Amino acid sequence: DAEITQSPRHKITETGRQVTLACHQTWNHNNMFWYRQDLGHGLRLIHYSYGVQDTNKGEVSDGYSVSRSNTEDLPLTLESAASSQTSVYFCASSTTGVATEAFFGQGTRLTVV
Amino acid sequence: QQPVQSPQAVILREGEDAVINCSSSKALYSVHWYRQKHGEAPVFLMILLKGGEQKGHEKISASFNEKKQQSSLYLTASQLSYSGTYFCGTVDQGAQKLVFGQGTRLTINP
Repeated sequence: DAEITQSPRHKITETGRQVTLACHQTWNHNNMFWYRQDLGHGLRLIHYSYGVQDTNKGEVSDGYSVSRSNTEDLPLTLESAASSQTSVYFCASSTTGVATEAFFGQGTRLTVV
Repeated sequence: QQPVQSPQAVILREGEDAVINCSSSKALYSVHWYRQKHGEAPVFLMILLKGGEQKGHEKISASFNEKKQQSSLYLTASQLSYSGTYFCGTVDQGAQKLVFGQGTRLTINP
């Protein structure tokens, strides 16, 4: 069965370190999204991609970057981790179009100490 | 810009009804509704397209008023399994990015 997986599920890192969170989907979806979830803020869009070599900034993109070299993967990189980036991160994917269901990964809980 | 949901939290007894509202400052193409159980990923409920469409999913239905840029989710005769946090997501006209509101926590008590 097709799926979307995130790794790692949990990570603790130190302030200032570079961290990369992986997202891999086997749906062959063109659209992929990264969100962070914090209490009181819901799901906030960090970056998104409509296809290979395409990346776009979301509402809270400062301090994050993504790259899309193939259809299946959209890794999220924190260039220099900060305590404010402690959060739960969700990756999602959907087919092309504005009325298509998004499928979510199980999330990565990141703690920056 | 995130859509705004109201209320932020609702506590019901089993069998009661609830309405969750979602509004945006932008012209919308579609509205999406998701439910998230504690510690799990959000799960898709339904999508509404512009045109005032109303859709249903068991005892959960929704409406979309594109002129007012608002959507409402209706939960009737709530069941314990309906507990969770509900998110509305919106897609602006001309874009495919999906932006979510801050969520509404629904608690159903026996």
